[in-house]
Amino acid sequence: SQKIEQNSEALNIQEGKTATLTCNYTNYSPAYLQWYRQDPGRGPVFLLLIRENEKEKRKERLKVTFDTTLKQSLFHITASQPADSATYLCALPNFGNEKLTFGTGTRLTIIP
Amino acid sequence: DTGVSQNPRHKITKRGQNVTFRCDPISEHNRLYWYRQTLGQGPEFLTYFQNEAQLEKSRLLSDRFSAERPKGSFSTLEIQRTEQGDSAMYLCASSLSSGGLLGANVLTFGAGSRLTVL
Repeated sequence: SQKIEQNSEALNIQEGKTATLTCNYTNYSPAYLQWYRQDPGRGPVFLLLIRENEKEKRKERLKVTFDTTLKQSLFHITASQPADSATYLCALPNFGNEKLTFGTGTRLTIIP
Repeated sequence: DTGVSQNPRHKITKRGQNVTFRCDPISEHNRLYWYRQTLGQGPEFLTYFQNEAQLEKSRLLSDRFSAERPKGSFSTLEIQRTEQGDSAMYLCASSLSSGGLLGANVLTFGAGSRLTVL
């Protein structure tokens, strides 16, 4: 099964700066990778999906990259705001695309 | 449609008691998932249904756990003889499977049911 590592259990970033979160996986390269946001006491909310043939995906202030050679995805939040403070999870499908395996998450705090 | 609904949101029980959680998925979604999440960890897969068929169960799901999805609509997760180690957030999610590897499986989660076993 896939092993996923999200380094930086917690990350503190000054407001206005760019936050960069990392997701590394160890086994087969999946057809796509997803990022979710989770606020305390709530379920995860889908943010972005990037496919294996896409190098980069953007949505407003969010940018995701996917490097299948490095087996890594980077998640960037530009012009960060305190409202971006949350835990961010990366998720990969299993080989049969029936279920997602989640990383442990990175708790991001944007300091005003 | 109001999204994925889970009840109860919080449950406190004594060790040895049985508890049941309910999940109402998005109506047009054919897949339903149960995950468990403990503090500081990501969601861990427990089981999933495609329509009414339970297609996979994790090794985490001991014989004290049972899940059902009658008629492919809502689902229940029952834990019998609860133990303190069962304390966690139980998350339900649903998705629409378009089949094959090209269709991405994007999950919509409920707010979760937090279980505390005393």
